[in-house]
Amino acid sequence: AQTVTQSQPEMSVQEAETVTLSCTYDTSESDYYLFWYKQPPSRQMILVIRQEAYKQQNATENRFSVNFQKAAKSFSLKISDSQLGDAAMYFCAYRSAENNNDMRFGAGTRLTVKP
Amino acid sequence: KAGVTQTPRYLIKTRGQQVTLSCSPISGHRSVSWYQQTPGQGLQFLFEYFSETQRNKGNFPGRFSGRQFSNSRSEMNVSTLELGDSALYLCASSLGLAGRWGYEQYFGPGTRLTVT
Repeated sequence: AQTVTQSQPEMSVQEAETVTLSCTYDTSESDYYLFWYKQPPSRQMILVIRQEAYKQQNATENRFSVNFQKAAKSFSLKISDSQLGDAAMYFCAYRSAENNNDMRFGAGTRLTVKP
Repeated sequence: KAGVTQTPRYLIKTRGQQVTLSCSPISGHRSVSWYQQTPGQGLQFLFEYFSETQRNKGNFPGRFSGRQFSNSRSEMNVSTLELGDSALYLCASSLGLAGRWGYEQYFGPGTRLTVT
């Protein structure tokens, strides 16, 4: 079964600086999708970014980018120019493209942004 | 487009009772998934519905059930509530099943269920 591991329960970053959140996953499949979701204190989960495993190019969405290393099964999220509004729980998620499998989530990383 | 809506937002029940939670997906979305979120277990998948059929089920007891209507709205039911069922229940909708398209899921605000 696929598992997703986020080894950093908490991270802190100074406003305007850059922070990287780590995520690794375990799978024997070759075709899948990876996501980063953000859950602010209001609790509504928001999609931050997605990556297709068959694409070598790392996904980017404004200040958010990923470093996808398929061989290492690593999918880290980089937040540049951190803002106070980036403070939230961040979840890494995996979903198979080969089966109609459920979305597997990591335990989450709580990001604090210091002014 | 309106987002995913969930009702009620907060609910307090006592042990042994049953509860029904409702989820309205984004217009045009045909897949609805349900998750249980607790501090101890994190986000756990309950089930996924597509075209009124349950397509996928997580590792939860039979007390947890759901259904989907022809308009894609979904309900989740928990019977014989236990204290451990206290959690945030999240609903997420997507255009379709992951399959070959990797449809991302859009989440609702959740229903906070407290069992006393």
